[in-house]
Amino acid sequence: EVQLVESGGGLVQPGGSLRLSCAASGFTFSSYWMHWVRQAPGTGLVWVSRVNSDGSSTIYADSVKGRFTISRDNAKNTLFLQMNSLRAEDTAVYYCARDGKTVATVFEYWGQGNLVTVSS
Amino acid sequence: DIQMTQSPSSLSASVGDTVTITCRASQSISSYLNWYQQKPGKALKLLIYGASTLQSGVPPRFSGSTSGTDFTLTISSLQPEDFATYYCQQGYSGPLTFGGGTKVEIK
Repeated sequence: EVQLVESGGGLVQPGGSLRLSCAASGFTFSSYWMHWVRQAPGTGLVWVSRVNSDGSSTIYADSVKGRFTISRDNAKNTLFLQMNSLRAEDTAVYYCARDGKTVATVFEYWGQGNLVTVSS
Repeated sequence: DIQMTQSPSSLSASVGDTVTITCRASQSISSYLNWYQQKPGKALKLLIYGASTLQSGVPPRFSGSTSGTDFTLTISSLQPEDFATYYCQQGYSGPLTFGGGTKVEIK
């Protein structure tokens, strides 16, 4: 059974940093591209970032480019999102998602999410 | 960026009803459209990918279709467990974008 479990969220002050983790199990982690998607309270889903299977290629939404860094440790089956210079508008539930290995991007499996609150 | 306009934003329906949710892309996305279900406290679930291909394990009462840049999710014979929020997402080009969501509530 595919499982994705996020951790590392919490309350942080504006300008602060936080590192999210996503522990993966039930599949060959090193074979799949992985994503972060976020959802601000009461709003819809917004794609944040993607990393390829070996970590050599990453892309970001414009809203987080230069502040967030996605990475992975395939030996530990773990995905990360390092978030720096956090702003109030980064407050959201952050989900990790596994890519579907189809021609186009499909978020085949999702974690349950981890809340990040940026507030003074 | 490709904009995904989803409608309605909410609807009320009864068990056994047929429900239709529409997603319109701001430009051609071929058939690279996916549908997800979100329930409170649960992981999001992929229902349909490639506009009309049912994900493994998803009941056949869910179906997807397309007409140009308009995409439709149909739930036939709505079941109690189908009351949730549904999102479309385009996988054609970056940045990947979602529709605003449709909340299906019990009438």
